[in-house]
Amino acid sequence: NAGVTQTPKFQVLKTGQSMTLQCAQDMNHEYMSWYRQDPGMGLRLIHYSVGAGITDQGEVPNGYNVSRSTTEDFPLRLLSAAPSQTSVYFCASSYSSGDRGETQYFGPGTRLLVL
Amino acid sequence: GDSVTQMEGPVTLSEEAFLTINCTYTATGYPSLFWYVQYPGEGLQLLLKATKADDKGSNKGFEATYRKETTSFHLEKGSVQVSDSAVYFCALSDSGNKLVFGAGTILRVKS
Repeated sequence: NAGVTQTPKFQVLKTGQSMTLQCAQDMNHEYMSWYRQDPGMGLRLIHYSVGAGITDQGEVPNGYNVSRSTTEDFPLRLLSAAPSQTSVYFCASSYSSGDRGETQYFGPGTRLLVL
Repeated sequence: GDSVTQMEGPVTLSEEAFLTINCTYTATGYPSLFWYVQYPGEGLQLLLKATKADDKGSNKGFEATYRKETTSFHLEKGSVQVSDSAVYFCALSDSGNKLVFGAGTILRVKS
C-alpha cells in the first residue's frame, strides 16, 4: 500500500494563478480531508468528504474548492491564489465508522508559496 | 467551539531526560484525544490516542492519560532519545472524523 500520496511536493505560484493539489489513497477509506499547517497555528481543516460525491466545509474553506468523484481521489483547487494561502497542505484519510477515535492517515504534504 | 492548547516550544532536552508536554482542551461533548507526531520533512502520524475518560494511550515509550476532571491529555516519556526529535501535536475529535489541533510543540533532543 502506498497509503496517502500527494503531488506536487512543492509549488510556487504567482498571485491570481490557479492550481490543483492532488491527493490519493489506496486504503479504501471513505473519509478524506484537507488541512493547512501554518507556524504557531497547528493544522486547520479546509474541506472534508465522507464519501464519493459528498463534501463539506471545514474551519477555513474560503479560496478553496474540492470535489470527490471517486473514493480514491480528493483534489484541492485554488481558484485564484493569494499570498495568504502560502502554507503546507496535508491530505488525510480514514475509515468513516462514526467513531470519533478513528486514526487519520496523513500524506507527506505539499509546500505552497504564493508570490 | 472546540479548542486545544499545548505548551509552547521549543523544548530542548538531553538524551535520557524525562519529557512532559502539556495539553489541555475545551470541548462541548466527550471527545477522543490524540497525539500526532511529525518528523522532519514528513507528514503527521498517530502516536497514541484515548477515547474515553481515564483511558491511557501508550506507544513507543510515550504515554498520556485522558483526564476529564482537568480536561488534560499530557504527553510523557521517561527517557527521550535523539530520534524523538520532532513536532508533537495534541488533537481532539468531537464530531465525526474532524480533528482540532493544538499549535504543536517542537522537541529537540541533544546527545
